[in-house]
This record gives sequence, structure tokens and C-alpha cells, in this order.
Amino acid sequence: GAGVSQSPRYKVAKRGQDVALRCDPISGHVSLFWYQQALGQGPEFLTYFQNEAQLDKSGLPSDRFFAERPEGSVSTLKIQRTQQEDSAVYLCASSVDRGNTEAFFGQGTRLTVV
Amino acid sequence: GENVEQHPSTLSVQEGDSAVIKCTYSDSASNYFPWYKQELGKRPQLIIDIRSNVGEKKDQRIAVTLNKTAKHFSLHITETQPEDSAVYFCAASPSGNTPLVFGKGTRLSVIA
Repeated sequence: GAGVSQSPRYKVAKRGQDVALRCDPISGHVSLFWYQQALGQGPEFLTYFQNEAQLDKSGLPSDRFFAERPEGSVSTLKIQRTQQEDSAVYLCASSVDRGNTEAFFGQGTRLTVV
Repeated sequence: GENVEQHPSTLSVQEGDSAVIKCTYSDSASNYFPWYKQELGKRPQLIIDIRSNVGEKKDQRIAVTLNKTAKHFSLHITETQPEDSAVYFCAASPSGNTPLVFGKGTRLSVIA
């Protein structure tokens, strides 16, 4: 595909359940970002990869959140023991270079914790 | 770290009028300022960006101005059309290895 692809588009999880969200960035893009977007709010930074290296994870809200990009392409955001406050849209973005360049966003995964 | 403030949170304009959205940032090292448009249920998409070495950039009905001294930048949309209705986000990036920091967004409604 030509753009950033995220799956699943929608996920309903029971409180306490673990979830895994997938991001396929644009081929060849070095940088990959995860953002959390609550309803009516702007995207909030979670974590950032440059190739396979996780350079910044300061935005991850707790140790229940974990992200990886083992081969420098596909990335997975995992949330353990989900809680209601984790309900949000999780956006993935990629850019061709290290930063200061256009970030292309995926459609997002809407996570609802019930 | 960088902090981006965006105003107003909602804006309604009559079709054909202009719309202005303003953002301020805190980190003087920031040098890249994109604007994204997000339609309901869709992904944010870049509409225009500006770097710190210029003060203004224009693309058809859209323009962005940057005042580095005051640390603020603005989006100007002229001759607004109903399809301009969306949420607009400003963002700032302090350096090449730093992710974008977003404002909270402005919901623009263009009334026909």
C-alpha cells in the first residue's frame, strides 16, 4: 500500500485484557511515531522509533504500555491489563527522515475498553 | 519540553470569509511547524508547513505566518468553503530527532 496502515481499525477489549495494535509504515520510512488521541483532543505523543531503535518513550503513560519495532519496519503497540482510561484512538505516523519532515498518519485504531 | 497552545478551540465562519487559527510554542529551539487537517473519523493530513528560516508561506487559499521572536505561528484560510470544515492541529518540532508536539486543535465550521 501507499500509505501508513494500522490494524485493527476498531478494538473492543474487556478491562484487564491485553491488546496489540499494529502499524505498517510507508516502506523505507526511517521514523515511526505512536500517538494517543482522546475524543476531541489533539494527538499526544507516546513513543518514537528511528529504524529499530526506540529513541523516546517518555510519553508512554505507564509500564502497561510497550512498543517495539524489531526489524525497523512494522511496529506493535501493546497494552497490558487494559483500563477504561486507555480508551482512545491510537495513531501511528511515519516520516522519511529523522524528523522535521512531513509525518504521514495511519487511520488509527479506536480502542474501547469496557 | 515543548508545549504548544492553540486558539480558538472552536471557530465558526460564514462561507467566503477568512479564518485564522493561532498557536504559540515554548521551546525556542523548535524549527519546524506543520499544520494538519483532520476530518471526522479520518487521519490527520498535512496541509501546510513552515520552517524557521522563513516568516510566511502560502499555498492557494492557505497561508502560515511565523514569528520566532514571539514564538507564535498562525494559519490563515481565505475564501472559506464548506469542505474546509474540520479540526485543524498545529504542531512544533524542536529538532530532527524529536517528535511533533501538537496543539489541542481547532474545530472550524464553515456555514454555507
